Amino acid sequence: QKEVEQDPGPLSVPEGAIVSLNCTYSNSAFQYFMWYRQYSRKGPELLMYTYSSGNKEDGRFTAQVDKSSKYISLFIRDSQPSDSATYLCAMSAPLTGGGNKLTFGTGTQLKVEL
Amino acid sequence: DARVTQTPRHKVTEMGQEVTMRCQPILGHNTVFWYRQTMMQGLELLAYFRNRAPLDDSGMPKDRFSAEMPDATLATLKIQPSEPRDSAVYFCASGSWKDHEQYFGPGTRLTVT
Repeated sequence: QKEVEQDPGPLSVPEGAIVSLNCTYSNSAFQYFMWYRQYSRKGPELLMYTYSSGNKEDGRFTAQVDKSSKYISLFIRDSQPSDSATYLCAMSAPLTGGGNKLTFGTGTQLKVEL
Repeated sequence: DARVTQTPRHKVTEMGQEVTMRCQPILGHNTVFWYRQTMMQGLELLAYFRNRAPLDDSGMPKDRFSAEMPDATLATLKIQPSEPRDSAVYFCASGSWKDHEQYFGPGTRLTVT
Protein backbone atom coordinates (compact mmCIF):
# COMPACT_ATOMS: atom_id res chain seq x y z
CA GLN A 1 0.00 0.00 0.00
CA LYS A 2 1.29 3.44 -0.92
CA GLU A 3 1.82 6.08 1.75
CA VAL A 4 -0.34 8.53 -0.23
CA GLU A 5 -3.41 7.45 -2.20
CA GLN A 6 -5.12 9.61 -4.78
CA ASP A 7 -7.88 8.77 -7.22
CA PRO A 8 -6.41 9.20 -10.73
CA GLY A 9 -9.72 10.21 -12.31
CA PRO A 10 -10.23 11.50 -14.93
CA LEU A 11 -12.73 13.92 -13.46
CA SER A 12 -14.84 15.92 -15.89
CA VAL A 13 -17.03 18.83 -14.70
CA PRO A 14 -18.91 21.70 -16.36
CA GLU A 15 -17.57 25.23 -16.13
CA GLY A 16 -18.63 26.92 -12.90
CA ALA A 17 -18.90 23.69 -10.92
CA ILE A 18 -17.32 23.13 -7.51
CA VAL A 19 -14.55 20.55 -7.72
CA SER A 20 -13.45 18.37 -4.84
CA LEU A 21 -10.09 16.56 -5.01
CA ASN A 22 -8.95 14.26 -2.24
CA CYS A 23 -6.02 12.28 -0.89
CA THR A 24 -5.61 9.87 1.97
CA TYR A 25 -2.36 9.00 3.68
CA SER A 26 -1.00 6.53 6.18
CA ASN A 27 2.19 8.14 7.55
CA SER A 28 1.55 10.03 10.80
CA ALA A 29 4.92 11.79 10.43
CA PHE A 30 3.65 13.98 7.59
CA GLN A 31 3.69 17.60 8.70
CA TYR A 32 3.11 19.79 5.65
CA PHE A 33 0.39 19.14 3.09
CA MET A 34 0.66 20.58 -0.40
CA TRP A 35 -1.29 20.74 -3.62
CA TYR A 36 0.55 21.04 -6.90
CA ARG A 37 -0.98 21.65 -10.32
CA GLN A 38 0.60 20.15 -13.43
CA TYR A 39 -0.39 21.13 -16.94
CA SER A 40 0.29 18.71 -19.76
CA ARG A 41 4.00 18.40 -20.56
CA LYS A 42 4.95 20.93 -17.86
CA GLY A 43 6.50 20.68 -14.42
CA PRO A 44 4.29 20.75 -11.31
CA GLU A 45 3.68 24.15 -9.70
CA LEU A 46 2.82 24.73 -6.07
CA LEU A 47 -0.75 25.89 -5.48
CA MET A 48 -1.11 25.86 -1.72
CA TYR A 49 0.28 24.33 1.43
CA THR A 50 -1.00 23.88 4.96
CA TYR A 51 0.69 22.85 8.17
CA SER A 52 -2.08 21.95 10.56
CA SER A 53 -5.60 20.58 10.43
CA GLY A 54 -8.22 23.02 9.22
CA ASN A 55 -8.93 25.10 6.16
CA LYS A 56 -6.84 27.51 4.13
CA GLU A 57 -8.33 29.67 1.41
CA ASP A 58 -6.67 31.36 -1.56
CA GLY A 59 -9.02 32.90 -4.07
CA ARG A 60 -11.12 30.15 -5.62
CA PHE A 61 -9.06 27.43 -3.95
CA THR A 62 -9.57 25.98 -0.46
CA ALA A 63 -7.30 23.36 1.07
CA GLN A 64 -8.60 21.26 3.92
CA VAL A 65 -6.64 18.93 6.19
CA ASP A 66 -8.07 16.44 8.67
CA LYS A 67 -5.15 14.83 10.46
CA SER A 68 -7.36 12.65 12.62
CA SER A 69 -8.76 10.96 9.50
CA LYS A 70 -5.51 11.28 7.50
CA TYR A 71 -7.48 12.95 4.72
CA ILE A 72 -6.84 16.10 2.73
CA SER A 73 -8.96 17.91 0.16
CA LEU A 74 -8.70 20.68 -2.38
CA PHE A 75 -11.85 22.52 -3.40
CA ILE A 76 -12.04 24.66 -6.51
CA ARG A 77 -14.98 27.06 -6.71
CA ASP A 78 -16.33 28.45 -9.98
CA SER A 79 -14.11 26.11 -11.98
CA GLN A 80 -12.74 27.40 -15.27
CA PRO A 81 -11.45 25.61 -18.39
CA SER A 82 -7.99 26.95 -17.43
CA ASP A 83 -8.18 24.78 -14.30
CA SER A 84 -7.97 21.69 -16.51
CA ALA A 85 -4.78 19.98 -15.36
CA THR A 86 -3.53 17.18 -13.16
CA TYR A 87 -3.62 17.96 -9.44
CA LEU A 88 -1.04 16.29 -7.23
CA CYS A 89 -1.22 16.15 -3.48
CA ALA A 90 2.09 16.02 -1.64
CA MET A 91 3.10 15.60 1.97
CA SER A 92 6.37 16.18 3.74
CA ALA A 93 8.01 14.34 6.59
CA PRO A 94 11.35 15.11 8.28
CA LEU A 95 14.39 13.09 7.28
CA THR A 96 16.69 11.62 9.93
CA GLY A 97 19.67 13.45 8.48
CA GLY A 98 17.89 16.78 8.23
CA GLY A 99 15.53 18.35 5.75
CA ASN A 100 12.09 17.17 4.69
CA LYS A 101 11.10 14.66 2.04
CA LEU A 102 8.02 15.09 -0.12
CA THR A 103 5.84 12.12 -1.03
CA PHE A 104 3.45 12.74 -3.92
CA GLY A 105 0.14 11.22 -4.85
CA THR A 106 -0.15 9.95 -8.40
CA GLY A 107 -2.39 12.87 -9.36
CA THR A 108 -6.03 13.42 -10.38
CA GLN A 109 -6.66 14.53 -13.94
CA LEU A 110 -9.31 17.26 -14.08
CA LYS A 111 -11.11 18.55 -17.16
CA VAL A 112 -13.43 21.54 -16.96
CA GLU A 113 -15.77 21.61 -19.94
CA LEU A 114 -17.27 24.73 -21.51
CA ASP B 1 11.51 35.75 -13.94
CA ALA B 2 13.39 33.16 -11.89
CA ARG B 3 12.96 29.60 -13.18
CA VAL B 4 14.58 26.22 -12.91
CA THR B 5 16.08 25.25 -16.26
CA GLN B 6 16.75 21.73 -17.46
CA THR B 7 18.63 20.38 -20.45
CA PRO B 8 18.02 18.55 -22.65
CA ARG B 9 14.24 18.76 -22.86
CA HIS B 10 14.04 15.53 -24.82
CA LYS B 11 16.47 12.65 -25.14
CA VAL B 12 16.18 9.46 -27.16
CA THR B 13 18.98 6.97 -26.71
CA GLU B 14 19.74 3.30 -27.11
CA MET B 15 19.99 0.86 -24.28
CA GLY B 16 23.46 0.79 -22.77
CA GLN B 17 24.30 4.41 -23.54
CA GLU B 18 25.17 7.01 -20.92
CA VAL B 19 22.63 9.76 -20.31
CA THR B 20 23.42 13.04 -18.56
CA MET B 21 20.70 15.47 -17.54
CA ARG B 22 21.49 18.96 -16.26
CA CYS B 23 19.64 21.38 -14.03
CA GLN B 24 20.21 25.00 -13.13
CA PRO B 25 18.37 25.82 -9.90
CA ILE B 26 16.88 29.21 -9.14
CA LEU B 27 19.62 31.62 -8.00
CA GLY B 28 19.74 31.71 -4.22
CA HIS B 29 18.00 28.40 -3.67
CA ASN B 30 20.06 25.98 -1.59
CA THR B 31 18.08 22.77 -2.05
CA VAL B 32 17.86 20.73 -5.24
CA PHE B 33 15.69 17.68 -5.89
CA TRP B 34 15.65 15.14 -8.72
CA TYR B 35 12.37 13.33 -9.40
CA ARG B 36 11.26 10.72 -11.92
CA GLN B 37 7.67 10.70 -13.15
CA THR B 38 5.94 7.75 -14.79
CA MET B 39 2.28 6.97 -15.34
CA MET B 40 2.44 3.95 -13.06
CA GLN B 41 4.49 5.31 -10.16
CA GLY B 42 3.85 9.04 -10.33
CA LEU B 43 6.55 11.35 -9.00
CA GLU B 44 9.36 9.58 -7.16
CA LEU B 45 12.20 11.33 -5.36
CA LEU B 46 15.59 10.18 -6.61
CA ALA B 47 18.00 12.59 -4.91
CA TYR B 48 17.94 15.56 -2.58
CA PHE B 49 20.78 18.06 -2.09
CA ARG B 50 21.11 20.86 0.43
CA ASN B 51 23.98 23.31 0.09
CA ARG B 52 25.37 20.94 -2.57
CA ALA B 53 25.62 18.03 -0.11
CA PRO B 54 23.45 14.94 -0.66
CA LEU B 55 20.78 14.58 2.05
CA ASP B 56 18.86 11.65 0.65
CA ASP B 57 19.32 9.38 -2.35
CA SER B 58 17.52 6.33 -1.04
CA GLY B 59 15.14 6.35 -4.02
CA MET B 60 17.90 6.19 -6.59
CA PRO B 61 19.16 2.89 -8.09
CA LYS B 62 22.81 3.13 -7.06
CA ASP B 63 24.18 0.67 -9.59
CA ARG B 64 23.41 2.86 -12.59
CA PHE B 65 22.33 6.29 -11.38
CA SER B 66 24.46 9.05 -9.91
CA ALA B 67 23.69 12.63 -8.93
CA GLU B 68 26.10 15.47 -8.24
CA MET B 69 26.22 19.21 -7.68
CA PRO B 70 29.60 20.38 -8.93
CA ASP B 71 28.66 23.96 -8.04
CA ALA B 72 25.69 25.94 -6.76
CA THR B 73 24.41 26.65 -10.27
CA LEU B 74 24.54 23.13 -11.70
CA ALA B 75 23.10 19.77 -10.71
CA THR B 76 23.56 16.65 -12.83
CA LEU B 77 21.85 13.27 -12.99
CA LYS B 78 23.61 10.49 -14.88
CA ILE B 79 22.42 7.07 -15.93
CA GLN B 80 25.05 4.58 -17.06
CA PRO B 81 24.17 2.21 -18.63
CA SER B 82 20.64 3.24 -19.54
CA GLU B 83 17.83 0.68 -19.82
CA PRO B 84 14.36 0.84 -21.43
CA ARG B 85 12.75 0.88 -17.95
CA ASP B 86 14.47 4.24 -17.32
CA SER B 87 12.14 5.86 -19.87
CA ALA B 88 10.31 8.58 -17.95
CA VAL B 89 10.21 12.32 -17.41
CA TYR B 90 12.93 13.52 -15.04
CA PHE B 91 12.26 16.71 -13.12
CA CYS B 92 14.60 18.90 -11.19
CA ALA B 93 13.22 21.18 -8.50
CA SER B 94 14.83 23.76 -6.26
CA GLY B 95 13.81 25.45 -3.04
CA SER B 96 14.99 27.54 -0.14
CA TRP B 97 14.85 26.57 3.53
CA LYS B 98 11.14 25.73 3.11
CA ASP B 99 11.58 22.25 1.69
CA HIS B 100 7.85 21.93 1.00
CA GLU B 101 7.94 24.86 -1.42
CA GLN B 102 9.62 23.38 -4.43
CA TYR B 103 9.90 24.98 -7.85
CA PHE B 104 10.02 22.52 -10.70
CA GLY B 105 11.79 22.74 -14.01
CA PRO B 106 10.14 21.74 -17.31
CA GLY B 107 11.56 18.22 -17.18
CA THR B 108 13.66 16.02 -19.45
CA ARG B 109 11.64 13.43 -21.36
CA LEU B 110 13.88 10.38 -21.70
CA THR B 111 13.20 7.49 -24.06
CA VAL B 112 15.54 4.50 -24.01
CA THR B 113 15.04 2.08 -26.89
